[in-house]
Amino acid sequence: DAGVTQSPTHLIKTRGQQVTLRCSPKSGHDTVSWYQQALGQGPQFIFQYYEEEERQRGNFPDRFSGHQFPNYSSELNVNALLLGDSALYLCASSRRTEGKLFFGSGTQLSVL
Amino acid sequence: TQLLEQSPQFLSIQEGENLTVYCNSSSVFSSLQWYRQEPGEGPVLLVTVVTGGEVKKLKRLTFQFGDARKDSSLHITAAQPGDTGLYLCAAPRQFYFGTGTSLTVIP
Repeated sequence: DAGVTQSPTHLIKTRGQQVTLRCSPKSGHDTVSWYQQALGQGPQFIFQYYEEEERQRGNFPDRFSGHQFPNYSSELNVNALLLGDSALYLCASSRRTEGKLFFGSGTQLSVL
Repeated sequence: TQLLEQSPQFLSIQEGENLTVYCNSSSVFSSLQWYRQEPGEGPVLLVTVVTGGEVKKLKRLTFQFGDARKDSSLHITAAQPGDTGLYLCAAPRQFYFGTGTSLTVIP
């Protein structure tokens, strides 16, 4: 049983570009959440998707957007990249009725 | 202002020593969770505490939820190098993670 998978593992972009990160949830999970994590810090909640809709959102600008597909997989899009967007982006999946998150290994984004 | 403050931020100890990590807040939570994250990996859930005063044990790890449900602690007995990692408390209903405690256990 595959866990949460994220792609790509590493990505280098320049300021102003756009990026798309992808996440496949653990089998049986219907909810996907995205987090941004700076080195040595706790993850910061970006948003959560369930039934293909954004259900909860953290304190992130509109440059951060997402999508969930019918197979529960999800994408995180970031437009007009800033240097400060450099971070580890984590995807977590769960069952809607449970509070137990399963995390992927993340995508390390570097903005130059 | 951080909703969940962890202390200490960094901890470096010798193998065999005991340690305690704290997670504090001025807010009341219905539950708190503890995760451990190793380099290059995502956080892995260790435990969920839901009742004020609750104590849960996971091998050498002991977790406690404060009576007022505003704080929690993680105690590790006889730390081993495999315990090295970033320890995070989290308030799952608020989608909030603590500031993190980076633990290094030296052989």
